[in-house]
Amino acid sequence: GAVVSQHPSRVICKSGTSVKIECRSLDFQATTMFWYRQFPKQSLMLMATSNEGSKATYEQGVEKDKFLINHASLTLSTLTVTSAHPEDSSFYICSARDSARGEYGYTFGSGTRLTVV
Amino acid sequence: EDQVTQSPEALRLQEGESSSLNCSYTVSGLRGLFWYRQDPGKGPEFLFTLYSAGEEKEKERLKATLTKKESFLHITAPKPEDSATYLCAVQAPGAQKLVFGQGTRLTINP
Repeated sequence: GAVVSQHPSRVICKSGTSVKIECRSLDFQATTMFWYRQFPKQSLMLMATSNEGSKATYEQGVEKDKFLINHASLTLSTLTVTSAHPEDSSFYICSARDSARGEYGYTFGSGTRLTVV
Repeated sequence: EDQVTQSPEALRLQEGESSSLNCSYTVSGLRGLFWYRQDPGKGPEFLFTLYSAGEEKEKERLKATLTKKESFLHITAPKPEDSATYLCAVQAPGAQKLVFGQGTRLTINP
C-alpha cells in the first residue's frame, strides 16, 4: 500500500519550453503533496507544499511563476516548469502523505530527471 | 529554525564491518524523526519513524535509536546491497513538511 507514482521518469526539453511532471497517489487519497528538488550528491530541497483545492505554499526563494503547481484532485498533483532553462535541470521528487498509515505516512515517488538543453 | 545535520558525509565499509550513522537535530519539539534510504536515481524509501527519546526500531541489519538531540542508524554486518544514501528528516509539531539532513553516502565493499 501507499504507492506514489511519478511520471515521466526522465525528460529532455529544449530551453524555453515548458515541462509537466505528474505525481499520483495510487491507493490512497492525499490532501497534501510535496515537491522537492535534488541536485547531485545533495539532499532534498523542499520547493512547495501542494494542497488539494487550494494554492500551493512555496518555500522561500522558489519562483511560483516558474514552478506552477496544481493539485486538482485528491490523487493528482502536477508540477509545471515553465520556460525551462539549463539551470532548471535537476532531479524532481514528489511525496504524499497517507494520513491513515500513521508512521508510514510520507511516501515518495521515484523521481523525474529533467534535462534542459 | 529547524536543522538536521548528518555525519559522516560519506562512509566506506568492508562487508561485515558494523558501524553507525549519526543524525543530530535541532527542532522546537519533535513530532517525528524519519530515516529513509535512497538509491541513485530513485526516490527515498521509508525505513523508520521514531517519536520519543529512548525509542528503538529494527529492520533486518538496521537499527535506529533516538535521544533528545540525535538519532543513530546502526548497521550490523552490512552487505554490498546496503550501499545507498541514508537520509534523516524531522517533523516539528504542527508542521506538515519534513526537514532533511544532507545524507550519508554509505558504500559497502565486498
